Amino acid sequence: LAKTTQPISMDSYEGQEVNITCSHNNIATNDYITWYQQFPSQGPRFIIQGYKTKVTNEVASLFIPADRKSSTLSLPRVSLSDTAVYYCLVGDINYGGATNKLIFGTGTLLAVQP
Amino acid sequence: SAVISQKPSRDICQRGTSLTIQCQVDSQVTMMFWYRQQPGQSLTLIATANQGSEATYESGFVIDKFPISRPNLTFSTLTVSNMSPEDSSIYLCSVEEGAAPDTQYFGPGTRLTVL
Repeated sequence: LAKTTQPISMDSYEGQEVNITCSHNNIATNDYITWYQQFPSQGPRFIIQGYKTKVTNEVASLFIPADRKSSTLSLPRVSLSDTAVYYCLVGDINYGGATNKLIFGTGTLLAVQP
Repeated sequence: SAVISQKPSRDICQRGTSLTIQCQVDSQVTMMFWYRQQPGQSLTLIATANQGSEATYESGFVIDKFPISRPNLTFSTLTVSNMSPEDSSIYLCSVEEGAAPDTQYFGPGTRLTVL
C-alpha cells in the first residue's frame, strides 16, 4: 500500500475553488486513488476515485497526471459546509481478495471561511 | 449505498471494564471493518471481520483486547476489553460497497471515554 502525503491544513473562502494535492510517489500499477471526506463527529464519506487522467462527479474532480505520483482533488466553489478533513488513499483494487483494507493518512483539514 | 448504524453512539466507562459496540447494516455484506480514531488523529484499522471466520487483526491489535463477533451478514460487534484511558477514541465500523471498487461506507461512530 503506497504511502500518501498531504498538506495538514488549508484555508479558503466561500465561493473559491480549492485544490488539495496528494503525493504518492510509490504508487503501484494496480493502485487506485480514492478520496474521502470526514465531517466532525461523522464517519468518512467516499468522494471520488480514479486511476489516471481526470474524473469528475457531482461533488468534485480528481486530476491525475500521467506518472500518477500525485493527484489533486478539486472542489469547485466551496461553501462553509465543505469544512472537513479530506483523506487521500492509494490501494490495490482486490476484488475477491482476502482484504480490501483502507489505510488512512493524516488527511487535510480544509477550513472554509465566509 | 449501505446504511450503517452503531450502538451506543457514545459512552463513558470506568477503567478496567469492557464495552461492546454493535454495528448493524441494512443489507448483507461480506466484509466489515473496525477502525479506531483517537482524538485529533486519523483512522487506524483494527481488524477485518468476515462472516463465518475469525477476524483478521492489524499489527498492534490483538483479539484478547478487541474481540470481534460476526454472527451474520448484517451485524458485527467489537468489544473493548479491560479499558484504560488510552482506549478513549471514536470506534467506527465500515462495510465494503461492491458497486464501486475499494470504497467503504462508514457508520457514525461510537465515542468512548474511559475515566
